[in-house]
Amino acid sequence: AQSVTQLDSQVPVFEEAPVELRCNYSSSVSVYLFWYVQYPNQGLQLLLKYLSGSTLVKGINGFEAEFNKSQTSFHLRKPSVHISDTAEYFCAVTPASGGYNKLIFGAGTRLAVHP
Amino acid sequence: SQTIHQWPATLVQPVGSPLSLECTVEGTSNPNLYWYRQAAGRGLQLLFYSVGIGQISSEVPQNLSASRPQDRQFILSSKKLLLSDSGFYLCAWSPATISGNTIYFGEGSWLTVV
Repeated sequence: AQSVTQLDSQVPVFEEAPVELRCNYSSSVSVYLFWYVQYPNQGLQLLLKYLSGSTLVKGINGFEAEFNKSQTSFHLRKPSVHISDTAEYFCAVTPASGGYNKLIFGAGTRLAVHP
Repeated sequence: SQTIHQWPATLVQPVGSPLSLECTVEGTSNPNLYWYRQAAGRGLQLLFYSVGIGQISSEVPQNLSASRPQDRQFILSSKKLLLSDSGFYLCAWSPATISGNTIYFGEGSWLTVV
């Protein structure tokens, strides 16, 4: 079985500051990793995903994440945040084999960007 | 392009009443379909997934059921709602069979059981 831990439930940050949202996972098999964003009262939108290859993954809206297999982490970063980045961010994993997707989500991190 | 529609967007139901949330996907065939629930202040919990018509897998024991009467239609139901069924319900789809495909979410349905 897989599990995901998002280490911060809330992250306040000032506009134009850098931010890192932390995600650790646990799995006995290889996994694929995802970050989704949820704006208020909306569904989830994919930011980026790691399947294989380079451990640094670039996504939409200037976000990037780095897969660290030894530390079982997949932290999300942005060098300079905007007010519009205020949202909830979810880290998720799915087994790399099995023939179907079954995302297991973390509890989410609420990013609040202040002017 | 593919789109996913989910309705109703908001629902207030009394305890003990039935529930039906519907989801349809357009622009693709034989998708994997999913129902997730997001309780207040918590992450997303996978409730059901389906890899084909009539094929439903339940992830957690609960008061809800799911059905897939057509290839691109997924319905979440309950015969008698409980207060604990309140939450934000999200339908989602992904291309079939290959792990690692992106899962695409609908806009969600807010259910308040009173």
